[in-house]
Amino acid sequence: AQSVTQLDSHVSVSEGTPVLLRCNYSSSYSPSLFWYVQHPNKGLQLLLKYTSAATLVKGINGFEAEFKKSETSFHLTKPSAHMSDAAEYFCVRGSQGNLIFGKGTKLSVKP
Amino acid sequence: DAGVIQSPRHEVTEMGQEVTLRCKLISGHNSLFWYRQTMMRGLELLIYFNNNVPIDDSGMPEDRFSAKMPNASFSTLKIQPSEPRDSAVYFCASSFGGGGLSGANVLTFGAGSRLTVL
Repeated sequence: AQSVTQLDSHVSVSEGTPVLLRCNYSSSYSPSLFWYVQHPNKGLQLLLKYTSAATLVKGINGFEAEFKKSETSFHLTKPSAHMSDAAEYFCVRGSQGNLIFGKGTKLSVKP
Repeated sequence: DAGVIQSPRHEVTEMGQEVTLRCKLISGHNSLFWYRQTMMRGLELLIYFNNNVPIDDSGMPEDRFSAKMPNASFSTLKIQPSEPRDSAVYFCASSFGGGGLSGANVLTFGAGSRLTVL
């Protein structure tokens, strides 16, 4: 079955340091991949989307993700964390008839 | 556009009571999704509609749950009778796309309805 795996349930970084949130997907001919962010008590907001165009995808708030077919990965990165980045992040795979959500990674940002 | 609007934002009810959650789609969107989020199970798709027609309801837990789209811009999710295990945050999302989820659809989520069943 097609799936996405978020390798870390919780990541903690200091403000101003880089962020790396890892996501691997099960192999597929042409996956559509997304990252969504959920701030506390809010709905999910789209950060970025990959649909087999450029492998490096830039999103909102300085986030970007790189699609690496050889590694079946779609890790989310940001060069410098901000306190407002503290939230839960979901790697999502588009699939015929459904969107498959990862379990989520909670990002904490320390001052 | 005000985005996807859900109501109520919070509901506390007693076991056995009927619960109705409401969702207004973004104007022009033609697909509507109901998700449930819990700590234990994460985000689960309950049902989705395309052009007012239910396409996949395999995620609906049981007969106590029902969802409708009386028109192109509005949906309800009803639980009758409610049980404590139904406590969760219920999200509605909408998108524009044909034939349900093509795999590249971007969903816009509402802020969620937090349900607590005592």
